[in-house]
Amino acid sequence: EAGVAQSPRYKIIEKRQSVAFWCNPISGHATLYWYQQILGQGPKLLIQFQNNGVVDDSQLPKDRFSAERLKGVDSTLKIQPAKLEDSAVYLCASSPPGVYGYTFGSGTRLTVV
Amino acid sequence: SQQGEEDPQALSIQEGENATMNCSYKTSINNLQWYRQNSGRGLVHLILIRSNEREKHSGRLRVTLDTSKKSSSLLITASRAADTASYFCATASTSGTYKYIFGTGTRLKVLA
Repeated sequence: EAGVAQSPRYKIIEKRQSVAFWCNPISGHATLYWYQQILGQGPKLLIQFQNNGVVDDSQLPKDRFSAERLKGVDSTLKIQPAKLEDSAVYLCASSPPGVYGYTFGSGTRLTVV
Repeated sequence: SQQGEEDPQALSIQEGENATMNCSYKTSINNLQWYRQNSGRGLVHLILIRSNEREKHSGRLRVTLDTSKKSSSLLITASRAADTASYFCATASTSGTYKYIFGTGTRLKVLA
């Protein structure tokens, strides 16, 4: 079974620029999550999708962050404009319906300079 | 905000010893999971324990859950250098959205 694919692996941008991350979940996994992990901290949930609908985006900074999941499969997370404090690893995870563990992708490490 | 808090924040042991890390949380949960994260990599799911379970085993891993104390522990027996990683607990509330909130993590270092 293929894992959760994320790209790019690394990204360095200047503050106020925009950036987009892509995630392809495991086939058949209806639920998709984006987490932000700042160095030395645990992952923080940004947004949760069920198929192509948003279940929870309460911690997504909507003035600069946006996410979509077209056709209930791939997802993109965008930051515009980026701030220095957005430097973090952005992790995508997916899970089948019900109570299961997540499968995480390798993440995208973003550095904002 | 973090729901869970792991203790200790860092742990250093010799190969072959047992490692115990604890997780405390604040609100009622549906289930609790433990994940491992090697440096610079994604998280790997280790074990899930439901709120009506008290103990689960998986290989060298043993997880306990005490809902009255709102705490869980992860025991790794006969540790190996390859167990060096950060370990996180993640809790899902009883609201039914299966939204997992991660703790702050324990950094385990196993010395060969």
